[in-house]
Amino acid sequence: SYELTQPPSVSVSPGQTARITCSGDALPKKYAYWYQQKSGQAPVLVIYEDSKRPSGIPERFSGSSSGTMATLTISGAQVEDEADYYCYSTDSSGNLGRVFGGGTKLTVL
Amino acid sequence: QVQLVQSGAEVKKPGASVKVSCKASGYTFTSYGISWVRQAPGQGLEWMGWISAYNGNTNYAQKLQGRVTMTTDTSTSTAYMELRSLRSDDTAVYYCARDWGTQVTTFDRLDYWGQGTLVTVSS
Repeated sequence: SYELTQPPSVSVSPGQTARITCSGDALPKKYAYWYQQKSGQAPVLVIYEDSKRPSGIPERFSGSSSGTMATLTISGAQVEDEADYYCYSTDSSGNLGRVFGGGTKLTVL
Repeated sequence: QVQLVQSGAEVKKPGASVKVSCKASGYTFTSYGISWVRQAPGQGLEWMGWISAYNGNTNYAQKLQGRVTMTTDTSTSTAYMELRSLRSDDTAVYYCARDWGTQVTTFDRLDYWGQGTLVTVSS
């Protein structure tokens, strides 16, 4: 079955740039979406179609994709950005299932 | 404003079934799909499947095929997810989310989520 691979954890100091990667064989053909989940809360969409930001999401959140890797970048990370981040995409082989990456715990301290 | 309100927590015995509801408001229900996502305690997100609120077409995760059924009631703008033959590893928070994908082959964003429903499977 198709898999998306993320690092388990990323740690930065406040004001630094955090980069979270997501690797998947179908990413050259399929969009990546990014979700932020704070403890005890439902996920929130922060990036869609690789690099678009929904209304209400701070400009410090950006996304990019190149080859088999998508990247979520948080420029000038804030303490309130501490959360789990998940990428979401689908296979390109004809399998219509969708998958989430394993998630990355972002620590900002 | 768009809202998805889910039914309350459930406790079930192994082998039983559970049906979780998700009532939508603030948008045209039949213009979007609904995806269901679950999260076991301390674990990541798992996509369970999708249903078109327009025509009821479904797309289920392979590992749940045969145990899960997703339906909608357009008269009440409510989506349902039923999971049968429950096991202890089905213990999780179950979320519904509005899906911009309107056809089985369309993959798109999940932009609004319900508050989650905890389903506990225990003897």
